[in-house]
Amino acid sequence: AQSVAQPEDQVNVAEGNPLTVKCTYSVSGNPYLFWYVQYPNRGLQFLLKYITGDNLVKGSYGFEAEFNKSQTSFHLKKPSALVSDSALYFCASPGGGKIIFGKGTRLHILP
Amino acid sequence: DTGVSQDPRHKITKRGQNVTFRCDPISEHNRLYWYRQTLGQGPEFLTYFQNEAQLEKSRLLSDRFSAERPKGSFSTLEIQRTEQGDSAMYLCASSLKAVGGGQQQETQYFGPGTRLLVL
Repeated sequence: AQSVAQPEDQVNVAEGNPLTVKCTYSVSGNPYLFWYVQYPNRGLQFLLKYITGDNLVKGSYGFEAEFNKSQTSFHLKKPSALVSDSALYFCASPGGGKIIFGKGTRLHILP
Repeated sequence: DTGVSQDPRHKITKRGQNVTFRCDPISEHNRLYWYRQTLGQGPEFLTYFQNEAQLEKSRLLSDRFSAERPKGSFSTLEIQRTEQGDSAMYLCASSLKAVGGGQQQETQYFGPGTRLLVL
């Protein structure tokens, strides 16, 4: 069965510092992995996805994610955090016709 | 705005009433999905359509829930005899069937959601 795990409920980062939001996966077959962001009272916005190819995937708003097969991880990163990056982040993986989401990690960027 | 739209954005109802939500997908997208999200959780899959055909339903979708996509464009999700446990955000997403690629590679684009509160 497909699953993703986000081990941290919350991450606090000072503005301007690099940020990492962690995700590990357990999938059968080729792993396809996504990151979405949710701002308050809004739907989910697509950030990036890994299908195949380069292990470093670049996405929207300066975010990138590193696929690591040996560690079964797909951590979301950004070199310099902005206060506006504060939101709820979801790692996800497709399972059949649906997407299976992690529980989410709330990212707080402290000014 | 050519993204996924949902109506209404908020709905407050009394227990036992019926409610209906509408989703308009991105115009060329042929797949449409419904998810439910409760506080502190990630979205959970409810059902999806390819064109007008409903291809998969979650066990979460009890017999009080019904979804339709009659002309393969917009979709409605109806909840009959609402219960307090139905209070959640209901999210709609759409995707375009990929040429030469599998469904799992498709990106689903989400609407803003309908927040339901059952009193």
